Amino acid sequence: AQSVAQPEDQVNVAEGNPLTVKCTYSVSGNPYLFWYVQYPNRGLQFLLKYITGDNLVKGSYGFEAEFNKSQTSFHLKKPSALVSDSALYFCAVRDMSNFNKFYFGSGTKLNVKP
Amino acid sequence: NAGVTQTPKFQVLKTGQSMTLQCAQDMNHEYMSWYRQDPGMGLRLIHYSVGAGITDQGEVPNGYNVSRSTTEDFPLRLLSAAPSQTSVYFCASRSSLIVDQPQHFGDGTRLSIL
Repeated sequence: AQSVAQPEDQVNVAEGNPLTVKCTYSVSGNPYLFWYVQYPNRGLQFLLKYITGDNLVKGSYGFEAEFNKSQTSFHLKKPSALVSDSALYFCAVRDMSNFNKFYFGSGTKLNVKP
Repeated sequence: NAGVTQTPKFQVLKTGQSMTLQCAQDMNHEYMSWYRQDPGMGLRLIHYSVGAGITDQGEVPNGYNVSRSTTEDFPLRLLSAAPSQTSVYFCASRSSLIVDQPQHFGDGTRLSIL
């Protein structure tokens, strides 16, 4: 079975500090991984993806993610958090046996305090 | 460019009532999908479609029907609503032509079943 796990329901960080939102995955073969952000009462917005190549992926709004195959992780990072980064973040993986299916993590609420 | 449009935004139903959630996209995307979002569970795939006349089941299809008569529209039908179907429903679309394309999400329909 293919899945993703986000072990932290909530992450609190002070503005200006670096942030990390964790994601681990379980898939057979090489994964296609995505990060999305959701603001209140809105749909999910795409941040970045890892398909192949460089393990450090850069995305929107200054976010980046590090793919680690040995640890089966795809953690989302940002060097300096902004209050406006406060939102719900979802990690997702594509089903590698059926490219039309995606599996999402349970989400991590990021709180950035001034 | 409206993207993915969902209607209605909010709805309250009584147990046993039927309802159709509407989803339309103007990006000429072949792939469309429906998810439900529940606290602590992330997004779970209900049904998806890879083109007009073609639909398939996701993780949690029971109690829901779909059809795809046009590229633009992908309605989700609840034939006999149950309290367990209280959730936030998201429609998403993406191009099938490029394998690693992310999904575009609507802003959701918040559905309460009494």
